[in-house]
Amino acid sequence: GIQVEQSPPDLILQEGANSTLRCNFSDSVNNLQWFHQNPWGQLINLFYIPSGTKQNGRLSATTVATERYSLLYISSSQTTDSGVYFCAVERSGAGANSKLTFGKGITLSVRP
Amino acid sequence: DSGVTQTPKHLITATGQRVTLRCSPRSGDLSVYWYQQSLDQGLQFLIQYYNGEERAKGNILERFSAQQFPDLHSELNLSSLELGDSALYFCASSYADGPNEKLFFGSGTQLSVL
Repeated sequence: GIQVEQSPPDLILQEGANSTLRCNFSDSVNNLQWFHQNPWGQLINLFYIPSGTKQNGRLSATTVATERYSLLYISSSQTTDSGVYFCAVERSGAGANSKLTFGKGITLSVRP
Repeated sequence: DSGVTQTPKHLITATGQRVTLRCSPRSGDLSVYWYQQSLDQGLQFLIQYYNGEERAKGNILERFSAQQFPDLHSELNLSSLELGDSALYFCASSYADGPNEKLFFGSGTQLSVL
């Protein structure tokens, strides 16, 4: 199946700093989503972004499908940004049994 | 709040038992997905239903089964439970069944098998 690698695995930031989270994938995708799992375990959908660039407040994401990577940018980080960030992809033409495959996640800790 | 409701939030049971996890999708969503999150396997897709019919199967054990009812809520049944089944089980929903569907997750059911 498709491989999803996220880096770095862990990130510690001071409040107010900016960061870039990366997701590499091994095959063509027709679906890519970024999720934030907060410290209470809730998974929140941040972006649906199989290609192009989107922005939502302090967060933005870019996917370069031809080069098989996606980036999530967090600007002016806040303590509430802490948690685990997942990239999830679905391979193009994979068939009916293929759904979103998740990476292992990036654990972000924002310190006050 | 994603609009996806899962019950119960926590479940503690013993090996060999059977449990049922329940999920109500967002209003208007026809697809329901079940995922399992464990420390060693990460987030893994189990099964998907669309408008009452099974659409896709992932890494779901034969001891596990699911169904989606006419009112679109779904139940995941886990039987002959083993210690290794302890995990966080998520339900997600989307409007349709296509490759470009955005998924919305419930807050999960934490299952502990003792």
